[in-house]
Amino acid sequence: ETGVTQSPTHLIKTRGQQVTLRCSSQSGHNTVSWYQQALGQGPQFIFQYYREEENGRGNFPPRFSGLQFPNYSSELNVNALELDDSALYLCASSSRTSGGYEQYFGPGTRLTVT
Amino acid sequence: AQSVTQLDSHVSVSEGTPVLLRCNYSSSYSPSLFWYVQHPNKGLQLLLKYTSAATLVKGINGFEAEFKKSETSFHLTKPSAHMSDAAEYFCVVSDDGNNRLAFGKGNQVVVIP
Repeated sequence: ETGVTQSPTHLIKTRGQQVTLRCSSQSGHNTVSWYQQALGQGPQFIFQYYREEENGRGNFPPRFSGLQFPNYSSELNVNALELDDSALYLCASSSRTSGGYEQYFGPGTRLTVT
Repeated sequence: AQSVTQLDSHVSVSEGTPVLLRCNYSSSYSPSLFWYVQHPNKGLQLLLKYTSAATLVKGINGFEAEFKKSETSFHLTKPSAHMSDAAEYFCVVSDDGNNRLAFGKGNQVVVIP
C-alpha cells in the first residue's frame, strides 16, 4: 500500500509569484485535505476535496485554490504569493465511511517566499 | 466552532519518567479527538483516536489518552518516556461531520537522558 506523497519537497518563490503543490493520495482514498503549518504553529485547515469537488474551506483567501483529479490526486495553487505564505503545506488523504475516518498525512512541502 | 487548547508549549521529561500532555477541547457536537506526533522533518503520524467508543484509548508506542466529557479533556499519557519520544505532539478535534481537523498549537517534548 502506497502512502501519501507530496511534491516538491522544498520550494523557494518570490513575492507575487504563483505556486502549485501536488499530492498523491493513499490507495483507495477519495478525499484530500490541505493544511498550512506556519513555523511553531499547529496546522490550519485550508480546504478539502471529495470526488473532485471542494467540500469545505477554512479561513483562507480565494488566491488559495485547488483541484482534485479523477485518480483522487490533488493540487494546491497559491496566487500572488505573500511573505506570510511561507510555511509547511500538508496534504492528508482519507476514505469516507460511516462513523468517521482517519486522515493520513504526507511529509509536506516546505514553501519559502522571499 | 471546534477548537483545542494545549498548554505548556515546551515540556521536558527525564527518560524513564511519566509523560503527561494536557488537552482541552471546545465542541458543539459529539467530537472525534486525536493525538498526532510530528518528528523533525517528518509527516504527522496518528498516535491514537477517540470516536465515541471506549473513553480510555490506547495508541501506538505505549501512549494512551482518556476522554472526559465533564472536563472537556483528552490528556495524553505514557508511563515511561523514551528518547525516541522527543517530538511535537498535537491534540486535534473534529466535529463538523466532514472531518475538518482543528489542531492545537502543539507540545514540544524534550527527553533528558
